[in-house]
Amino acid sequence: DAGVIQSPRHEVTEMGQEVTLRCKPISGHNSLFWYRQTMMRGLELLIYFNNNVPIDDSGMPEDRFSAKMPNASFSTLKIQPSEPRDSAVYFCASSSEDRATDTQYFGPGTRLTVL
Amino acid sequence: RKEVEQDPGPFNVPEGATVAFNCTYSNSASQSFFWYRQDCRKEPKLLMSVYSSGNEDGRFTAQLNRASQYISLLIRDSKLSDSATYLCVVTGSWGKLQFGAGTQVVVTP
Repeated sequence: DAGVIQSPRHEVTEMGQEVTLRCKPISGHNSLFWYRQTMMRGLELLIYFNNNVPIDDSGMPEDRFSAKMPNASFSTLKIQPSEPRDSAVYFCASSSEDRATDTQYFGPGTRLTVL
Repeated sequence: RKEVEQDPGPFNVPEGATVAFNCTYSNSASQSFFWYRQDCRKEPKLLMSVYSSGNEDGRFTAQLNRASQYISLLIRDSKLSDSATYLCVVTGSWGKLQFGAGTQVVVTP
């Protein structure tokens, strides 16, 4: 079975550019999560959706970050404009449960470098 | 104070030995507890859930101590493939999962 799919796997961009990260959750899962992982801050939850609706976006760093989930099989995380401090690994995870505290399955991540 | 705290390690373990480490959490209302494993430059993967009565999965044993607010992971008969970072995960203050920074385990031949 296909797991969570993320693209691109690596992204190198220059400061000020728009970056769009993509995620396809596991089929049938109704919760989707976006995380960011850095050495300094570890794994941080940015936003999570349940049944395509954003439930909690309190972890989104600032207005430069936005996320959408237009349907059950696709989500995007956009950073505009990007800054060097946004460099991190961004993971998408999905869950078959409705709560944010149930088992989550992670995608392989997108390694973002902003120069 | 961080919601979830772990000893970063590394724990250097000879192959075949036993290693154990803990994780402390600050939210006394936490209800869900997990151990995730993360290999270098890979995504976290669920290792096991942690139940109140403690649970075992092969060579891995997890324990929960609610009174002292910590969970533990014990690995018996360590294999080289057990080398990884082990992330402690608990329900945070806002009903979301909080991930610890991880404990690195290095199993040596």
